[in-house]
Amino acid sequence: GNSVTQMEGPVTLSEEAFLTINCTYTATGYPSLFWYVQYPGEGLQLLLKATKADDKGSNKGFEATYRKETTSFHLEKGSVQVSDSAVYFCALSLPGKLIFGQGTELSVKP
Amino acid sequence: DTGVSQDPRHKITKRGQNVTFRCDPISEHNRLYWYRQTLGQGPEFLTYFQNEAQLEKSRLLSDRFSAERPKGSFSTLEIQRTEQGDSAMYLCASSLADGGPNTEAFFGQGTRLTVV
Repeated sequence: GNSVTQMEGPVTLSEEAFLTINCTYTATGYPSLFWYVQYPGEGLQLLLKATKADDKGSNKGFEATYRKETTSFHLEKGSVQVSDSAVYFCALSLPGKLIFGQGTELSVKP
Repeated sequence: DTGVSQDPRHKITKRGQNVTFRCDPISEHNRLYWYRQTLGQGPEFLTYFQNEAQLEKSRLLSDRFSAERPKGSFSTLEIQRTEQGDSAMYLCASSLADGGPNTEAFFGQGTRLTVV
């Protein structure tokens, strides 16, 4: 079946540290892949996306590369800020729906 | 247009009661989706509409759940005879159809249901 697995949180980092949140997927076909972010008290927002193998999505200093050979879409940021504290969801798209991972909570300390 | 709006934001109900939630999508979006999110989990797909037609329903959507989008604009999700296991955040999203599978879905802030 189709599924997404993310690394478990919470992840706690100091400001300016390097961030990696792992995401792997199982899917039939070649879905598009997404990272959504949910800041405290807010709705889900699209952070970045990639639509085919080897595509790199990027936004706000975050990056993720669609790796078909390892079925992965890991999220990275070179230097996190306190304002990046949020829950991050990896997702894949199927016709008419998104399949989400369980989310990874990130807490960045000053 | 300020995005997808959901009402109410919070609902506490007694077990066995019926509840109804409303979602107003972004005005030009013809696709509307409902998801359910429990604590510590990602959103799970429930159903989606294209205009007024309900095109898919998840097996998660038991007979006690019904969703409508009567004029292809706002949508309602009703849960009859609520159970404690229905306690969750109910999320609505909308998008254009069809930019393909990478069409961005915009989410509302959700309705948090607590069944006591």
